[in-house]
Amino acid sequence: QSALTQPRSVSGSPGQSVTISCTGTSSDVGGYKYVSWYQQHPGKAPKLMIYDVNKRPSGVPDRFSGSKSGNTASLTISGPQAEDEADYYCCSYAGSYTWVFGGGTKLTVL
Amino acid sequence: QVQLVESGGGVVQPGRSLRLSCAASGFTFSSFGMHWVRQAPGKGLEWVAFIWSDGNNKDYADSVKGRFTISRDNSQNTLYLQMNSLRAEDTAVYYCAKDRTSDYFDYWGQGTLVTVSS
Repeated sequence: QSALTQPRSVSGSPGQSVTISCTGTSSDVGGYKYVSWYQQHPGKAPKLMIYDVNKRPSGVPDRFSGSKSGNTASLTISGPQAEDEADYYCCSYAGSYTWVFGGGTKLTVL
Repeated sequence: QVQLVESGGGVVQPGRSLRLSCAASGFTFSSFGMHWVRQAPGKGLEWVAFIWSDGNNKDYADSVKGRFTISRDNSQNTLYLQMNSLRAEDTAVYYCAKDRTSDYFDYWGQGTLVTVSS
């Protein structure tokens, strides 16, 4: 049950796209289509942003998108807004009803 | 709307026990699996435990297996986490989260802080 690997921080301006990677193994990210992403503002509970690799829950802006290739999943924010500045965590199902999170990535909006 | 409210956190000495509760409302509690997820101060999220909707199956992270027990009372719409033999490294905010198709966590509580210290 080793944590998935995410960059510690990323930054971008509203006119750019920002991508956060999430690397695991064939036993988690690469083995299932059950990758989800969570946004967490300081002192707040996490909020679901993407599930099943690339699906957006109702109410999540369409500038958030997800993808996966092999053992690496990615969250892309197209034109990040000031309110998107937060920590982002990926999570993957890891078999036998266990789950594993990434270490988290801090997004700074310039 | 879905609400999850955790309680039971506090300061406890190493080796002692603590029981957390999570009161659920706004959905049919008995139809969904539930999770506990924790976050140590300044650190990332760590999945802790999962219980099926009927309570008959449970799974744990290796870091808590044999020390923590997840349970639920569907008649009271309440989820529990019994934590025994607590260690300093168990210090964290503990969140309960609603499961969606054994796949992802669609709703989270606000968390309760557990501090293990002498």
